[in-house]
Amino acid sequence: GAVVSQHPSWVICKSGTSVKIECRSLDFQATTMFWYRQFPKQSLMLMATSNEGSKATYEQGVEKDKFLINHASLTLSTLTVTSAHPEDSSFYICSAREDRGRVTDTQYFGPGTRLTVL
Amino acid sequence: GNSVTQMEGPVTLSEEAFLTINCTYTATGYPSLFWYVQYPGEGLQLLLKATKADDKGSNKGFEATYRKETTSFHLEKGSVQVSDSAVYFCALSSSGGSNYKLTFGKGTLLTVNP
Repeated sequence: GAVVSQHPSWVICKSGTSVKIECRSLDFQATTMFWYRQFPKQSLMLMATSNEGSKATYEQGVEKDKFLINHASLTLSTLTVTSAHPEDSSFYICSAREDRGRVTDTQYFGPGTRLTVL
Repeated sequence: GNSVTQMEGPVTLSEEAFLTINCTYTATGYPSLFWYVQYPGEGLQLLLKATKADDKGSNKGFEATYRKETTSFHLEKGSVQVSDSAVYFCALSSSGGSNYKLTFGKGTLLTVNP
């Protein structure tokens, strides 16, 4: 149980294009999902918290107009990198917090999406 | 604010050696503590967790005990295997609001040689 998938697992795009990454909780409902960015050999940096049915909460320094997040259902959140540039190349990881109607704080992570912008 | 400090790597061990990766934290309130493992090219997998003081999390031979008095959550394994080679992240979950954000340490790369 508690499986989170991401699609695509890797993507290469041209500078100036937009890329959408999907994050799905496969066997549980997730009111809250998180999006992280990881640079090579570094820790995860939280970009934003995605809440189903409401606007995402972005961390300081993250451009919300560049990294669009939509959490349309209890099992799906999407991250769209708009007008991507080479500096946006990174490993993007999502996580989902299982919602069982009680307090629980374990996050389950997706396998990540490697984005390369040429 | 919250922070997690874990020993810097890389750590290189021979198979069957004893492993300790130190982790200390700073947090307000009573956080939950986690160890996550990341294999090359993959996302993070939850290894173990502890939600209150003196709790011991364990999984796959790994253990860590929540020590409130020393604000520590050191990861240990008695006999490592080559397949344990990965990056290990210590993390805490802040209970501010209802989103339970995770704060990660910088990660420790473990390499186990046969």
